[in-house]
Parts: sequence; C-alpha cells; structure tokens
Amino acid sequence: KNEVEQSPQNLTAQEGEFITINCSYSVGISALHWLQQHPGGGIVSLFMLSSGKKKHGRLIATINIQEKHSSLHITASHPRDSAVYICAVLTSGSRLTFGEGTQLTVNP
Amino acid sequence: EAGVTQSPTHLIKTRGQQATLRCSPISGHTSVYWYQQALGLGLQFLLWYDEGEERNRGNFPPRFSGRQFPNYSSELNVNALELEDSALYLCASSLTGNLDTQYFGPGTRLTVL
Repeated sequence: KNEVEQSPQNLTAQEGEFITINCSYSVGISALHWLQQHPGGGIVSLFMLSSGKKKHGRLIATINIQEKHSSLHITASHPRDSAVYICAVLTSGSRLTFGEGTQLTVNP
Repeated sequence: EAGVTQSPTHLIKTRGQQATLRCSPISGHTSVYWYQQALGLGLQFLLWYDEGEERNRGNFPPRFSGRQFPNYSSELNVNALELEDSALYLCASSLTGNLDTQYFGPGTRLTVL
C-alpha cells in the first residue's frame, strides 16, 4: 500500500462544476503539499498545509491531521484547470512522498 | 524574481554514459531538492542539499549523486546510465529546509538510448 493515496485517479468535469480531489496518507507528516503539473512537466506548488484550511482564488485545500486526510476543491472549474493534481507529504528530512496524481479534465 | 532554472532542457545519452544535470535555485534559497519522474511512475525523491551538504537521500543506487555549490546551485550526476534512468528530473528549492514551500523548476528530460 502506498504511503500516499489519491482519489480519484481520473476525473472529468464540465465547466463550472465543483471538483474535489482527496488524499489520504499513512505516515506522520510535517506538512502536506498540493501540486499542479501541466503537460510538459512543469510543476506549480498550489498549497502547503500543516493544519486547517487555505484558500487561493477558486482553490481551497483542507487537511485533517487526526484523520490523515486532505482535500483539494476547485470551485467554478474551467478548462484551464485541466492538469494533474498531486498530493505530497513532507516527512522527516524534508523528504516529499508523492501520491500518484489525479488527472483532471474540464470540458467546455 | 527568477524562478528555479534547470539545464539542459533535454539530454540524450547512451547506456553506460554519464549525465550531468544542473539546477539554480531561487535567489536566497539555500535548499535544493532533486526528484525523478519516470514514465508511468510517480514522482520520487532523490536528494536534498542544504548549505552545501547532502541532508537526505531517497532509495536510489549510489550512481546517482550530486553536490551543491557555494552559490547554492546544484548538480545531479548519474553514472553508468541505464535505460530505466530515462525520466523527467525535477529540481526544487526552498528558503531553508525547514517546512518551507518547495518551488519547482521546469525539469530536464533525460533519454537513455
């Protein structure tokens, strides 16, 4: 079993829909990253969380440390949100362990 | 402010050769991280350098090595290349190594023939 599990693996939505991507982890962590990877490989760090909730524009990330679970929400989704979203947990030694990613496709 | 830069963008080598990949962190960042993203696999942690020292290492053989220079730029060396080393190699930097956000470079795509 992977230390970081994401669901769903693939997600197709219509423009305007509310999207949720989930991440569960089984190890002790210092923090959790949500990353966005576009075709071609470029990675952007969306959030780093160690507790509670963060919001940036249409993106919201939450984390429940007790339940070892985090969610990434996208409100009013848009085709330009289409990308792979990756959950990564920061463990000892500043080591990031990654989930396998969620491929999001938003259709117009 | 310039982001993390990596060079070269693409690198083609043959089995048994050595590859050298370079990374320049964001100005002021002292920590540099290397990750491998092989085709069909997720991102995997390779190495972490901070203040010129190797601080942590992922589950990779010793032929993966690197260093960090006094200006905090970093080099990843892969010796005795194997076909399965073909991957996207991503570098990231953070202000320090202590719970700071990691910012990623565009990557170097290494192809081993």
